[in-house]
Amino acid sequence: DAKTTQPTSMDCAEGRAANLPCNHSTISGNEYVYWYRQIHSQGPQYIIHGLKNNETNEMASLIITEDRKSSTLILPHATLRDTAVYYCIVRVAERSQKLVFGTGTRLLVSP
Amino acid sequence: SQTIHQWPATLVQPVGSPLSLECTVEGTSNPNLYWYRQAAGRGLQLLFYSVGIGQISSEVPQNLSASRPQDRQFILSSKKLLLSDSGFYLCAWSRTVSYNEQFFGPGTRLTVL
Repeated sequence: DAKTTQPTSMDCAEGRAANLPCNHSTISGNEYVYWYRQIHSQGPQYIIHGLKNNETNEMASLIITEDRKSSTLILPHATLRDTAVYYCIVRVAERSQKLVFGTGTRLLVSP
Repeated sequence: SQTIHQWPATLVQPVGSPLSLECTVEGTSNPNLYWYRQAAGRGLQLLFYSVGIGQISSEVPQNLSASRPQDRQFILSSKKLLLSDSGFYLCAWSRTVSYNEQFFGPGTRLTVL
């Protein structure tokens, strides 16, 4: 599974959009991009995933560049409860059993 | 709806003592089951996964073992705990057919003294 690179930490004001970047320059054609988040002392929570098209659900939007070497998770109106560590993971959905978590981005949403 | 339970929530054990952590899933059948560990300030590391009763795959060598005696029960064990076994242990499940999402339990925080 391809390796990802994320900033260590980011800050965001409450009510503003939080844009979390992820680089995955070695991603292969059959690997998906997944995002999870982990609120302090809880288990990770699935947010969204995509292959090459942009995706949106009730939690967030995922923008994947045309060359698929990077992506951005967008929380359109961040709240204090969105403070968490956000993990970007790439893997082959149909083959790999495991999620390889890196160190993620620690997002702090402030009032 | 599906739910995943882990217990205990917290545990303090002396070095050399045995360990048994339990995970159960409700509301689904034949799930894939996973054990992860998160050491302080580190990312999650997959320890074991299981695709069925009695089928266990180990991802890293260690003094831990896992068992799946029933379809929706996953147990993590150790005969003798080490200080380095301290951490946050998470159980997760996913549907057999689609691997898109893994659903995590609330976790067990283990401190080995």
